Amino acid sequence: DAKTTQPPSMDCAEGRAANLPCNHSTISGNEYVYWYRQIHSQGPQYIIHGLKNNETNEMASLIITEDRKSSTLILPHATLRDTAVYYCIVRGGGNAGKSTFGDGTTLTVKP
Amino acid sequence: DTGVSQDPRHKITKRGQNVTFRCDPISEHNRLYWYRQTLGQGPEFLTYFQNEAQLEKSRLLSDRFSAERPKGSFSTLEIQRTEQGDSAMYLCASSPPEAEKLFFGSGTQLSVL
Repeated sequence: DAKTTQPPSMDCAEGRAANLPCNHSTISGNEYVYWYRQIHSQGPQYIIHGLKNNETNEMASLIITEDRKSSTLILPHATLRDTAVYYCIVRGGGNAGKSTFGDGTTLTVKP
Repeated sequence: DTGVSQDPRHKITKRGQNVTFRCDPISEHNRLYWYRQTLGQGPEFLTYFQNEAQLEKSRLLSDRFSAERPKGSFSTLEIQRTEQGDSAMYLCASSPPEAEKLFFGSGTQLSVL
């Protein structure tokens, strides 16, 4: 799996968009970008994943740069319940299970 | 879909004792994973089952650790002769055959005194 780099922490005002960056400069052509989040005392929760095109679902949007060396997870209207650790993971398709999580970004949404 | 269930949620044990954790995956998910998470760190992969077959084990899984998944349904993770360094959250996850994403349980928090 390609290595990912995320800032250790970020703050965001409630109601504003939260933009969480991830660098994955060694990503290879068949590797996907996955995002999970972990709220305190719970297991990680899948958010979104993509290969090269931007993706959007009911939780978030994923923007992947054209060279695929970095991506941004966007929570369009952050709420207090979005306070969590967000993990960016890069791995090949077909078996998303054996994932290397890293230490993630702690997002704190403030009122 | 009732989600991935793990039991117990918390376990306190004395050093040297054996402990066993159980994971019930989402029905029809043929893949099951165990992860370990220590405070302030991301989850670390331990082992993976496809149906009843254990296909991969991390080097983190010492000889004191054993995992089973009889009949390809629930799974158990046993730690023998626990050590204080085994204190962690043990997470179970399952995924469907297309294996695009993981569904995690809430974990078992182990404290070894």
